[in-house]
Amino acid sequence: DIQMTQSPSSVSASVGDRVTITCRASQGISTWVAWYQQKPGTAPKLLIYAASSLERGVPSRFSGSGSGTDFTLTISSLQPEDFATYYCQQGNSFPITFGQGTRLEVK
Amino acid sequence: EVQLVESGGGLVQPGGSLRLSCVASGFTVSSNYMTWVRQAPGKGLEWVSLIYSGGTTYYADSVKGRFTISRHDSENTLYFQMNSLRADDTAVYYCATSLTESGWVRPDCWGQGTLVTVSS
Repeated sequence: DIQMTQSPSSVSASVGDRVTITCRASQGISTWVAWYQQKPGTAPKLLIYAASSLERGVPSRFSGSGSGTDFTLTISSLQPEDFATYYCQQGNSFPITFGQGTRLEVK
Repeated sequence: EVQLVESGGGLVQPGGSLRLSCVASGFTVSSNYMTWVRQAPGKGLEWVSLIYSGGTTYYADSVKGRFTISRHDSENTLYFQMNSLRADDTAVYYCATSLTESGWVRPDCWGQGTLVTVSS
């Protein structure tokens, strides 16, 4: 199974800050990575797919990069609605696996 | 409007069974893959099962042999039969699919989730 290791597990930031979350795969997975945002009590929302493609309707302050084993999600200027938990996911092979999540909190 | 609505969750004793349903509207469940993802209370996301449009199915090791994914095309509904339930199956179960991608798995359409609690 491919393990997805996210870091940090939590981060505190302020509105306007730039935040980067990383995800490392236990083996090379090309660009078969997606990123999701989840707010309490709601379903996950797809933000980024194929490592760097922005899902339709997602603000351009979100961006993704990486290939192989190392991937990043960047929020260029935090907005109040961005405080949530973020997950990476690999779609390279079954079983599909998620990172353990990064909780983005208000500083 | 495109929508997925899950139902069938509830409280069940260890060793018991439940069948989850996921009714789709605005698209056909047979047109693409459909998948189940669960989330234990306070924990992260865990993929559990998937069925492709052609009928091929996949399962996480944690549920293989106990859970069965299926769909009823005329009802436009996805099902998840869960047998031999254990306490660690307690979670919110989401059904999900992609409305734009039929290849690799990265769902962009999710239901609201249904809570399954396994406890005596």
